[in-house]
Amino acid sequence: DVKVTQSSRYLVKRTGEKVFLECVQDMDHENMFWYRQDPGLGLRLIYFSYDVKMKEKGDIPEGYSVSREKKERFSLILESASTNQTSMYLCASSLPQTGNTEAFFGQGTRLTVV
Amino acid sequence: DQQVKQNSPSLSVQEGRISILNCDYTNSMFDYFLWYKKYPAEGPTFLISISSIKDKNEDGRFTVFLNKSAKHLSLHIVPSQPGDSAVYFCAALKGYKYIFGTGTRLKVLA
Repeated sequence: DVKVTQSSRYLVKRTGEKVFLECVQDMDHENMFWYRQDPGLGLRLIYFSYDVKMKEKGDIPEGYSVSREKKERFSLILESASTNQTSMYLCASSLPQTGNTEAFFGQGTRLTVV
Repeated sequence: DQQVKQNSPSLSVQEGRISILNCDYTNSMFDYFLWYKKYPAEGPTFLISISSIKDKNEDGRFTVFLNKSAKHLSLHIVPSQPGDSAVYFCAALKGYKYIFGTGTRLKVLA
């Protein structure tokens, strides 16, 4: 079974802190993604990566950066946390599009910025 | 610019009846469409997908229909069960990028 593991289920951080959200997948997937989920807005793509050290901005990259130094690990960084970044953060991974279309998600990190 | 839309934020259905969840999209270039189910405080789990060249895919109680001319897809759950109560997201795939709708909360009443 594919497993995508996010390092924390719940986090509380202060405004202005630098926050790291870690995600690890164990199926050798090339593609990895960070989404945030907010009520009424669905899942919005923050960043994705299609290979080690490769990244592309998604729809809402402002205030975030990412790091992918190893294939299995994709980190989301909030450079200076703000209250409007309070959200559920979801990491996902997938194979390149060779017919297998499914993205696998981690359990999510509920981040609260106070 | 919302490329994938789920216009019904919620839906209630009696146990044993059919649940129909709808999704509209604006881009004709998507390769696949997918449905995910999400429980509170958990990540989404994949349910079923359909290629853009097909019009129907079935897996047990779940069937997805794709109407390309209307740019519309729907998920049918028959029969609905209380455990199906969750938020359902449709997603469209182009290349390796998934675009999600806003979700529909399904409540199956016992």
